[in-house]
Amino acid sequence: AQKVTQAQTEISVVEKEDVTLDCVYETRDTTYYLFWYKQPPSGELVFLIRRNSFDEQNEISGRYSWNFQKSTSSFNFTITASQVVDSAVYFCALSEDNDDMRFGAGTRLTVKP
Amino acid sequence: SQTIHQWPATLVQPVGSPLSLECTVEGTSNPNLYWYRQAAGRGLQLLFYSVGIGQISSEVPQNLSASRPQDRQFILSSKKLLLSDSGFYLCAWSVLAGGGNEQFFGPGTRLTVL
Repeated sequence: AQKVTQAQTEISVVEKEDVTLDCVYETRDTTYYLFWYKQPPSGELVFLIRRNSFDEQNEISGRYSWNFQKSTSSFNFTITASQVVDSAVYFCALSEDNDDMRFGAGTRLTVKP
Repeated sequence: SQTIHQWPATLVQPVGSPLSLECTVEGTSNPNLYWYRQAAGRGLQLLFYSVGIGQISSEVPQNLSASRPQDRQFILSSKKLLLSDSGFYLCAWSVLAGGGNEQFFGPGTRLTVL
């Protein structure tokens, strides 16, 4: 069965610091998909990225970047030059070639001004 | 573009009362639909998912039920609420074709059972 572990329950940084959110996953499938979602205080989950198991290329989108490493079963998320608006709970999720998505427990990020 | 609606946004109900939460999707056809629950400070737990009208799969045994009377409508119900049913309920949709598709979430319903 698939499993997602986000070991960092809470992280607090000062604005403009870089911060990395860790995600480690477990799966027996060779085809799988990884996701990151952001949950701001309003509660709605916002989709950030989807990555399939055959594409280990890292991705950068503005201040956001993702590091996918199959060798360590990790899909880490880095925010560069963090801003107060980045404060939210971030969820990593895994899907095994179906639409059954399993979420990690989430990491609460607080960015202080 | 696709949008997903949930109502009500907040709900306070006494123990033992019935529940009906509604979710509708616009701008897409034949979506997969999902109900999740998020307890305070916790992650998301998948409750139900549906791949079509009248087709419901349950992930965990509980006193909740789900129905899909129309293609883009998903309803979460209970005949008698328990205190443990309190939480934040999120509806989501994804495209039907293929697997591993991203899910898009509604604004959620915050339920408090007293």
